[in-house]
Amino acid sequence: DSGVTQTPKHLITATGQRVTLRCSPRSGDLSVYWYQQSLDQGLQFLIHYYNGEERAKGNILERFSAQQFPDLHSELNLSSLELGDSALYFCASRPRTGGTEAFFGQGTRLTVV
Amino acid sequence: GQQLNQSPQSMFIQEGEDVSMNCTSSSIFNTWLWYKQDPGEGPVLLIALYKAGELTSNGRLTAQFGITRKDSFLNISASIPSDVGIYFCAGQLGGKLTFGQGTILTVHP
Repeated sequence: DSGVTQTPKHLITATGQRVTLRCSPRSGDLSVYWYQQSLDQGLQFLIHYYNGEERAKGNILERFSAQQFPDLHSELNLSSLELGDSALYFCASRPRTGGTEAFFGQGTRLTVV
Repeated sequence: GQQLNQSPQSMFIQEGEDVSMNCTSSSIFNTWLWYKQDPGEGPVLLIALYKAGELTSNGRLTAQFGITRKDSFLNISASIPSDVGIYFCAGQLGGKLTFGQGTILTVHP
């Protein structure tokens, strides 16, 4: 158990809908990273938050947004969903930027039908 | 942007054999990490490397941080069936982790 909690574990929704994925980092970790993993691709970095502030953006679509709350949990919002958004979404936490390794949650499997 | 080339893409080996996989980058990293991912699970950290030239072992796993800071390798000795999974390298620079495409390892008993 990495200590990073993601909910829900599975999500099935229709095209055009909006969903929210939730991540609780390890206790004391300030950084949260979001990654997308499609079937034929590796882990694609989406966005990084540190202590409530956005620090870096990767290949994140404009239809996607994220935030980190004062209690340090983070939410990834995916809107106007398309079939191609079906993927595993992982969050990872680290204690501080530029510091040690990242620990991953078990992921949310999103299926868009 | 930063790109990581991980090879091989997949490996089929017999139980007991040694395995070697590597990652190369067009740019330098401050940290190299190796993860293993089982089906339906999140990646789990295996080894972290923090200094150029560093060689680190974790049981049957050995990894090295290349001198140029642009490459790393992972060796698994005496493979066992539970080594099956996808292995990812990741390079870290600043606040961003960049992942390789993964090596799918299959171990035949």
